[in-house]
Amino acid sequence: QLQLQESGSGLVKPSQTLSLTCAVSGGSISSGGYSWSWIRQPPGKGLEWIGYIYHSGSTYYNPSLKSRVTISVDRSKNQFSLKLSSVTAADTAVYYCARAVRRSETIDYWGQGTLVTVSS
Amino acid sequence: QSALTQPPSASGSPGQSVTISCTGTSSDVGGYNYVSWYQQHPGKAPKLMIYEVSKRPSGVPDRFSGSKSGNTASLTVSGLQAEDEADYYCSSYAGSIPVVFGGGTKLTVL
Repeated sequence: QLQLQESGSGLVKPSQTLSLTCAVSGGSISSGGYSWSWIRQPPGKGLEWIGYIYHSGSTYYNPSLKSRVTISVDRSKNQFSLKLSSVTAADTAVYYCARAVRRSETIDYWGQGTLVTVSS
Repeated sequence: QSALTQPPSASGSPGQSVTISCTGTSSDVGGYNYVSWYQQHPGKAPKLMIYEVSKRPSGVPDRFSGSKSGNTASLTVSGLQAEDEADYYCSSYAGSIPVVFGGGTKLTVL
């Protein structure tokens, strides 16, 4: 059974960079046919797709966040990471990592989510 | 503002059926048979309930069904049960922006 687990700082100061890592177990991040995504959910609000990365390292970002987002993969550690720069209070959210089936973008596995608060 | 439009709320009594709509455009819902539905209970991660418009993952009760007509997809929950009370989100492949979500619908079992 595939499992994903987010980790990283739960509190980030405004203008700084948010950094999260997603550890994948029960399967290889190098498996073809999947994208590895970051999705966020502000408190009390809906889901927003941030971006994804393929095992090859190719990335695709939400245009609304593209200038601030970097997603990378570490195949040796079977994990992928998110960096979001110049954060503001509007970036406060639960951040989920997930696996999606390539092309259909069906998200079949989700991490449990981690709350990141942007505050001084 | 979400890319896909869902009603904020829906409700039904136990045993009844309820349908939740998800309206997009020809660039997303109408253009591809790649609509998914997710169930989210409070404090939990979303769970895949329907994929590729009408397919159910293993373990999802057949009380959940999906369909699509034009630019609108629908999730129907039949034989409502108390545990179906949750938020439901649709998503669609959208080509240039691979994943777009709906704003979510809060389903209340009366």
